[in-house]
Amino acid sequence: GAGVSQTPSNKVTEKGKYVELRCDPISGHTALYWYRQSLGQGPEFLIYFQGTGAADDSGLPNDRFFAVRPEGSVSTLKIQRTERGDSAVYLCASSPSWKTGELFFGEGSRLTVL
Amino acid sequence: QQQVKQSPQSLIVQKGGISIINCAYENTAFDYFPWYQQFPGKGPALLIAIRPDVSEKKEGRFTISFNKSAKQFSLHIMDSQPGDSATYFCAASGNNNDMRFGAGTRLTVKP
Repeated sequence: GAGVSQTPSNKVTEKGKYVELRCDPISGHTALYWYRQSLGQGPEFLIYFQGTGAADDSGLPNDRFFAVRPEGSVSTLKIQRTERGDSAVYLCASSPSWKTGELFFGEGSRLTVL
Repeated sequence: QQQVKQSPQSLIVQKGGISIINCAYENTAFDYFPWYQQFPGKGPALLIAIRPDVSEKKEGRFTISFNKSAKQFSLHIMDSQPGDSATYFCAASGNNNDMRFGAGTRLTVKP
């Protein structure tokens, strides 16, 4: 279990509900990223953490999206008042150093909003 | 917000042939250019990467060619195999480490 772990792997919810997606990065990795991937598209940047703080949250589409990483390890992506357009695979990645560049991805959480 | 443009969207190559995927970027602050490979149901995995101080990097059958003045880079897969069939993403990042990805190329290698 040395890789990036994401839970749940699949989440089906109804429009308007609140959703939390969890990411457990590789132990010791200081950088953590969230991306959103729609079918047939490349990963779309959402937010990047260096340690506990959000170094860049410019990709969050609106204020319904929020992410935390309170202890510099596990991160939670929170989506309020979900909309059908939020349906996608949410990918988490971690990196051992903010200078290294290589990202290690989890398998993603597939979110379906009905 | 598309800072990295990738082509073609899809590519079909015969086994043993050469697969070529191209990317162009806009932000001159980018200084790290990786290629990721993604199989269905999996997260992307790093294949090969280059920094702008060299024009080419080769690892096995995979080569990145980099043209700094044109702000373009490409992935060449030599002797393509059916097991190479996957979606390939180019990406770019700078000092602030915000990695941006292209839209992807779905490669099919026919036996």
